[in-house]
Amino acid sequence: GAGVSQSPRYKVAKRGQDVALRCDPISGHVSLFWYQQALGQGPEFLTYFQNEAQLDKSGLPSDRFFAERPEGSVSTLKIQRTQQEDSAVYLCASSSNGGAYSGETQYFGPGTRLTVT
Amino acid sequence: DQQVKQNSPSLSVQEGRISILNCDYTNSMFDYFLWYKKYPAEGPTFLISISSIKDKNEDGRFTVFLNKSAKHLSLHIVPSQPGDSAVYFCAASAMKYGGSQGNLIFGKGTKLSVKP
Repeated sequence: GAGVSQSPRYKVAKRGQDVALRCDPISGHVSLFWYQQALGQGPEFLTYFQNEAQLDKSGLPSDRFFAERPEGSVSTLKIQRTQQEDSAVYLCASSSNGGAYSGETQYFGPGTRLTVT
Repeated sequence: DQQVKQNSPSLSVQEGRISILNCDYTNSMFDYFLWYKKYPAEGPTFLISISSIKDKNEDGRFTVFLNKSAKHLSLHIVPSQPGDSAVYFCAASAMKYGGSQGNLIFGKGTKLSVKP
């Protein structure tokens, strides 16, 4: 497809369950970001991949959060033992990684709304 | 501590008039600024951006102004249309990761309503 896609669009999990959220970036985009957006807030950075390498995971809120991008394309964000505070919209964005001074626009997917009950 | 601030949670304007959305930032390392528009149940859609080496960038009805000394940017929409009604997010980033653009830092958004 032409844009970033994410699945599922909606996920309801019982507290303690594990969930896996998928992101398909724009074809050929080197950079992939995950963000978390709580209600009424702007998106907040979770983690960054350049191809298959996870270069920054400083935004992951706890060790229950894990992300991977094994072949440098599709990425999965996994949350283990979900808690109510994990309820949020999880957004994926990709960029072409044009290099220094070019400025790089990140293009977002529609997000996955996770509700933990 | 918020590095990107949008102090107006909402803004209402009449169709055909100018909409001005404001954004302030604190981190002088930011060198790239973007505006995104977001409709309910959709992801943010890129609108317009500006590099720190410029003070203005224009794209059709949308113009972004950057005042580096004041650490302030604004988005002007003229003329405003009812379809522009959405939440607008200001975002900023700095060079990171060996020369590539780093993660975006977002404001909390401003909800724009354009009345017919």
